[in-house]
Amino acid sequence: GEDVEQSLFLSVREGDSSVINCTYTDSSSTYLYWYKQEPGAGLQLLTYIFSNMDMKQDQRLTVLLNKKDKHLSLRIADTQTGDSAIYFCAESNAGNNRKLIWGLGTSLAVNP
Amino acid sequence: DAGVTQSPTHLIKTRGQQVTLRCSPKSGHDTVSWYQQALGQGPQFIFQYYEEEERQRGNFPDRFSGHQFPNYSSELNVNALLLGDSALYLCASLTDSYNEQFFGPGTRLTVL
Repeated sequence: GEDVEQSLFLSVREGDSSVINCTYTDSSSTYLYWYKQEPGAGLQLLTYIFSNMDMKQDQRLTVLLNKKDKHLSLRIADTQTGDSAIYFCAESNAGNNRKLIWGLGTSLAVNP
Repeated sequence: DAGVTQSPTHLIKTRGQQVTLRCSPKSGHDTVSWYQQALGQGPQFIFQYYEEEERQRGNFPDRFSGHQFPNYSSELNVNALLLGDSALYLCASLTDSYNEQFFGPGTRLTVL
């Protein structure tokens, strides 16, 4: 079946890099997304990657995809206190009308 | 471009009542997906509307129904509310031409 798993908590110091990990089970996944959710707010799309790519970089964000192991990671360079939030990994495939399957989210705490 | 908008922001209802939530997609997007996010959980797919038809449905009872209008905006209706329906309801806007899926700020529904 379709499942996405993430570690629940991560704590880093301001200025360090954060790495948030995600694993998924659906081998037909086409798109993999990272969303950010601040308390009481909606979901902000951070970045996404196609399943035929292994890396994507966007300013402070780097996404790595290991399709063989079905493992996705999000690296945030120079983490700031404003990066404190819950980060969700989600996958979808074109054959499923791009319905998003979500992890439980990783709560990132950035300590000054 | 106003992005994805949802109304109302917050809603309080009692058990057994009915509720209607509204969503306007991003300009240029023709597809709307609805998700339910319970506290501390990842979003769960409710259904998706495209060309004014329900294109796909998640594992939600028939009490959850929807509609899409010719201008692509959408409504989510929930009948016979239960306490367990208390959640953040999120609307995602997408189109087949682009890979991004953008979310509105959500409607926080509390059922007493």
